[in-house]
Amino acid sequence: DQQVKQNSPSLSVQEGRISILNCDYTNSMFDYFLWYKKYPAEGPTFLISISSIKDKNEDGRFTVFLNKSAKHLSLHIVPSQPGDSAVYFCAANQAGTALIFGKGTTLSVSS
Amino acid sequence: SQTIHQWPATLVQPVGSPLSLECTVEGTSNPNLYWYRQAAGRGLQLLFYSVGIGQISSEVPQNLSASRPQDRQFILSSKKLLLSDSGFYLCAWSVLLLHAGSPLHFGNGTRLTVT
Repeated sequence: DQQVKQNSPSLSVQEGRISILNCDYTNSMFDYFLWYKKYPAEGPTFLISISSIKDKNEDGRFTVFLNKSAKHLSLHIVPSQPGDSAVYFCAANQAGTALIFGKGTTLSVSS
Repeated sequence: SQTIHQWPATLVQPVGSPLSLECTVEGTSNPNLYWYRQAAGRGLQLLFYSVGIGQISSEVPQNLSASRPQDRQFILSSKKLLLSDSGFYLCAWSVLLLHAGSPLHFGNGTRLTVT
């Protein structure tokens, strides 16, 4: 049973445009949500997180939105750059339990 | 600054052979350590975590084991590999155990292919 789902395996965007990566979850008890970014031959690196008491968190070009009623979160990258091309993982957990990761979405930003 | 080293980067092993993957962390004391695996077409799955020397918790039953002989060393082992053990293995550390407010910091991973 997949508790964290990233239904789009890939996304292609032009440089300068907005990239929107989506993630759905099933466990209403999750209280923290994170996004990780992974380049080939490297481990994932932490990008941005949001707690369940918020609906938006922003860090530079990256913004995460949380819609608890829809059990949906999204990562917006504006403007997108070629260096943003990577696999993006959504993850979630309740405090004290293991992070549950989605399968990832591969973002390709073309110049 | 903290760094995490994981080796080897790639490994091809025959079925039934043993396995030993090593991970070390520098620049921090008493880290919480983790082994994750990503099988083909799946998300990252937590295999083991450790809060201290000799303390190992297993998240899923499997053909693998983990050990923590030193504070900043974490080892993933198997006595006899199965084909289903193929995957991408990641070591990680965090300040707070299993708490999302303390992000995981991953190594570069080991691509294991069991033939």
